[in-house]
Amino acid sequence: GDKVKQSPSALSLQEGTNSALRCNFSIAATTVQWFLQNPRGSLINLFYLVPGTKENGRLKSAFDSKESYSTLHIRDAQLEDSGTYFCAAENTEGADRLTFGKGTQLIIQP
Amino acid sequence: EAAVTQSPRNKVTVTGGNVTLSCRQTNSHNYMYWYRQDTGHGLRLIHYSYGAGNLQIGDVPDGYKATRTTQEDFFLLLELASPSQTSLYFCASRDIGNTLYFGEGSRLIVV
Repeated sequence: GDKVKQSPSALSLQEGTNSALRCNFSIAATTVQWFLQNPRGSLINLFYLVPGTKENGRLKSAFDSKESYSTLHIRDAQLEDSGTYFCAAENTEGADRLTFGKGTQLIIQP
Repeated sequence: EAAVTQSPRNKVTVTGGNVTLSCRQTNSHNYMYWYRQDTGHGLRLIHYSYGAGNLQIGDVPDGYKATRTTQEDFFLLLELASPSQTSLYFCASRDIGNTLYFGEGSRLIVV
């Protein structure tokens, strides 16, 4: 099975609403990174996390290594938040390399 | 912001052809990575390196070679390209804080 499982696989939201994306890990994740692939295809780093939480503007992310999951919350969604969100985990078996999930495609509608 | 530059951005080649994808980073990062992105698979690691002359095997290395000639330059080589290698390829470098920075991607089509 997938070592990093993202849910949902796709999501459509109205502008101004909130959303939560999730990653579950079947590996012993030690750090997590979240990326946004925008409609032009560019991959942008959003967060690097050790266990705990981080916040940046309308985005907030949490990583719980004991329960093996990470979340990304988007508050007051804007059109420019559209794209595909990937999480990636580093683990003790493969230090210095990341295992990616398959992504959540997010569409923000006006 | 770290700068990672890939070339070519788009490439079409025939089955059996020889392709080299280039990646340069100008931030003196030690680690560099080559990923491929395919629908339904996300990003999968092909090869990576932690410095000039070093090469590590990733999760999907078959059919690919790589070479890290300098701290800045990391090349991905397809010596006998096959249609299954049609994909979007990303190079990335990793800073001392472990944050990954991606290039803009190289789209390869093998006909």
